[in-house]
Amino acid sequence: DAGVIQSPRHEVTEMGQEVTLRCKPISGHNSLFWYRQTMMRGLELLIYFNNNVPIDDSGMPEDRFSAKMPNASFSTLKIQPSEPRDSAVYFCASRPDRGGNQPQHFGDGTRLSIL
Amino acid sequence: AQSVSQHNHHVILSEAASLELGCNYSYGGTVNLFWYVQYPGQHLQLLLKYFSGDPLVKGIKGFEAEFIKSKFSFNLRKPSVQWSDTAEYFCAVSSGATNKLIFGTGTLLAVQP
Repeated sequence: DAGVIQSPRHEVTEMGQEVTLRCKPISGHNSLFWYRQTMMRGLELLIYFNNNVPIDDSGMPEDRFSAKMPNASFSTLKIQPSEPRDSAVYFCASRPDRGGNQPQHFGDGTRLSIL
Repeated sequence: AQSVSQHNHHVILSEAASLELGCNYSYGGTVNLFWYVQYPGQHLQLLLKYFSGDPLVKGIKGFEAEFIKSKFSFNLRKPSVQWSDTAEYFCAVSSGATNKLIFGTGTLLAVQP
């Protein structure tokens, strides 16, 4: 099993540019989560999907952020336009079923720097 | 609303010292409890989990945690730490059948050789 795969691993871009982060969950996992990690706020849940449907996006900071899951094996998190305060590590995680007692498996993260 | 508190933000220990990291949660119903570890520059990895049964849970790398329902606590322990245990440790809770994990703010552990 390849685990949760995120790309890119690192991205540096100028403010105002569009940023797209990608995630491939573990095959067979039907819940997918996007997190943001910063020194100031720790680990924050941005949004999660179940069976490709967004269930809770209350953690999405503002309209500049959007997430999609067009199929069971792919999700994107987009920031448009990006700002320096969006600099963080963004993690994707997946889990096998709807139950709360299954652990989430995390990807290696995307380290995003907005200049 | 659910919340998770980790009281120790930074812990510095010498090798072979014993470790206990505190975790308290606020939720009155059935909970699922987790400890994750994040080594420098890496992603979060599951250390151990509690769903039901024996409240003393053993995880990987010699870690264990005890669920004390009356205290709403799930403290992480290790009798003798190693330099390689230097990492950040996160306690997390989910309730019932929900998918959401609520994470604590993390405890940064530095083990001095």
